Amino acid sequence: DQQVKQNSPSLSVQEGRISILNCDYTNSMFDYFLWYKKYPAEGPTFLISISSIKDKNEDGRFTVFLNKSAKHLSLHIVPSQPGDSAVYFCAASERNYGGSQGNLIFGKGTKLSVKP
Amino acid sequence: DAGVTQSPTHLIKTRGQQVTLRCSPKSGHDTVSWYQQALGQGPQFIFQYYEEEERQRGNFPDRFSGHQFPNYSSELNVNALLLGDSALYLCASSLASLGRDWSGNTIYFGEGSWLTVV
Repeated sequence: DQQVKQNSPSLSVQEGRISILNCDYTNSMFDYFLWYKKYPAEGPTFLISISSIKDKNEDGRFTVFLNKSAKHLSLHIVPSQPGDSAVYFCAASERNYGGSQGNLIFGKGTKLSVKP
Repeated sequence: DAGVTQSPTHLIKTRGQQVTLRCSPKSGHDTVSWYQQALGQGPQFIFQYYEEEERQRGNFPDRFSGHQFPNYSSELNVNALLLGDSALYLCASSLASLGRDWSGNTIYFGEGSWLTVV
């Protein structure tokens, strides 16, 4: 049973427009959420994260929104650029007993294509 | 500052064989996690090593084992390879976060080792 779901395998957006990538989760114990970007033949690269005590985190063109009641988060990229074309993974984590952060649970990813 | 390095980058093995993958964490990091990414899937957690001990384990059979050395580098061993073990194996390094703020931006992934089992 998937605890983190990305229901859109792909998304195509025009350059300059907004890209919105969605992610749903089922485990209410998750307390940290992250977005990773992955190019072919490279490892995932950290993009942005959000703690469960917040509902928004912004870093330049990237903003992550968290709706805890709906167990839903989204990544907004504005404006989208062709270099943003990659696979985006949503991931979640919960604290272990003792306070250390647990392992990451990933979604299946969404392939974003930004067309010039 | 070298990031996370993994070796080999690609390898082909035959069913039933054994494989060892290696990982050197980012300088200053003391925790190594291994993930398996099958085609079309997200990375799946295999296990995590800290202070040379397995601290957490995901839902993988005992054929998957690991080791962490005093210099924090790590190995992933897979015995009795199956066709379904064909995947990208990712190593991630981080700092133990006991009692510290954790913002997620301290986890670094290597480029991975592509394993093909034929």
